Amino acid sequence: ETGVTQTPRHLVMGMTNKKSLKCEQHLGHNAMYWYKQSAKKPLELMFVYNFKEQTENNSVPSRFSPECPNSSHLFLHLHTLQPEDSALYLCASSHARGGGEQFFGPGTRLTVL
Amino acid sequence: QKEVEQDPGPLSVPEGAIVSLNCTYSNSAFQYFMWYRQYSRKGPELLMYTYSSGNKEDGRFTAQVDKSSKYISLFIRDSQPSDSATYLCAMLLPGSARQLTFGSGTQLTVLP
Repeated sequence: ETGVTQTPRHLVMGMTNKKSLKCEQHLGHNAMYWYKQSAKKPLELMFVYNFKEQTENNSVPSRFSPECPNSSHLFLHLHTLQPEDSALYLCASSHARGGGEQFFGPGTRLTVL
Repeated sequence: QKEVEQDPGPLSVPEGAIVSLNCTYSNSAFQYFMWYRQYSRKGPELLMYTYSSGNKEDGRFTAQVDKSSKYISLFIRDSQPSDSATYLCAMLLPGSARQLTFGSGTQLTVLP
């Protein structure tokens, strides 16, 4: 595997379910990110991890819970989501210094029923 | 007012045309400017990265930044059907802990 991988690619869940999204980067980067992409809207940064430490949480509801066990893996744990949370969730990574060049995974298309 | 404004399109052009994609922004402190390309069912990939005002050329692509007008552009020469994608502009403040601010993206279709 190369680059940034995400699993699953598609996920359908009910509002009472608990699920997790997984991201893995094979680029030797130290910073990882979760973004939300909704139709016709700019990418919204959700969380930033730098050397496994969370450095940013952009007012994300607590029903989204990130976890970064090491610099290569990032998870997004989901519980009691709302239909408006349906979107494409993108993971990205970059070198810790100079984060303009971020490398994105293919995303997980999430549908909340 | 959004921090970054980008016309969502869609934009359709014939193969071989010159394409101009644009973004305006409101925060004059932005220092780094990027263009990402996103194909359908894929994540964005970095296309161009510029710092401050001026032009940067890479093959058929030219990125232009006009900080006095708070306006950035991406030009694609001799456009190809393989250029059909959504183009996202993104900007970064100095010392902003890597928080990119994105435009909403312009969907481009190049017709053969």
